[in-house]
Amino acid sequence: DVKVTQSSRYLVKRTGEKVFLECVQDMDHENMFWYRQDPGLGLRLIYFSYDVKMKEKGDIPEGYSVSREKKERFSLILESASTNQTSMYLCASILERGQVKQPQHFGDGTRLSIL
Amino acid sequence: SQKIEQNSEALNIQEGKTATLTCNYTNYSPAYLQWYRQDPGRGPVFLLLIRENEKEKRKERLKVTFDTTLKQSLFHITASQPADSATYLCVLYGQNFVFGPGTRLSVLP
Repeated sequence: DVKVTQSSRYLVKRTGEKVFLECVQDMDHENMFWYRQDPGLGLRLIYFSYDVKMKEKGDIPEGYSVSREKKERFSLILESASTNQTSMYLCASILERGQVKQPQHFGDGTRLSIL
Repeated sequence: SQKIEQNSEALNIQEGKTATLTCNYTNYSPAYLQWYRQDPGRGPVFLLLIRENEKEKRKERLKVTFDTTLKQSLFHITASQPADSATYLCVLYGQNFVFGPGTRLSVLP
């Protein structure tokens, strides 16, 4: 089974801090995604990556950056955390973008609170 | 702009009945549609996929229909059980994945 591991389940940070969220997958998937999930809004795509050192902006990239130095690891960075970035953050991976039958595999999320 | 709606935020049904969840979308022509289940404090888990040229897909007690004319998908759980209680997400894929807000299903014993 594919395993997507997010480094923290809960995280509390202060406004203005630089925050790192880490995600690791163990199945050699090319594509990785970062979403945030807020009540009533569904999951919204922040950034995704097709390959090592490749990144693409999603629907809400403002205030975030990402890093993919190794295939299995995709990091989300909040450059200067703000209270409106309090949310559940979910990482996902997929084998290959062109393989339409492949589902996304999600981690269990990081619930981030910015005080 | 693209929009996905799921029929209601919450749905309560009695154990043994069929649960029907609705996903409607506008301004979008997805190549396929997926349904995921999400339990509290966990990430979504994939359940079923249906392509634009397919009318219906089944997996055990689950059935999904896809009507591209109505721009609607229906997700059915037959003989529902309390263990089916969760939030169900509709996800469309065209250029990227677009998620609906989810429906929280509660199956009452």
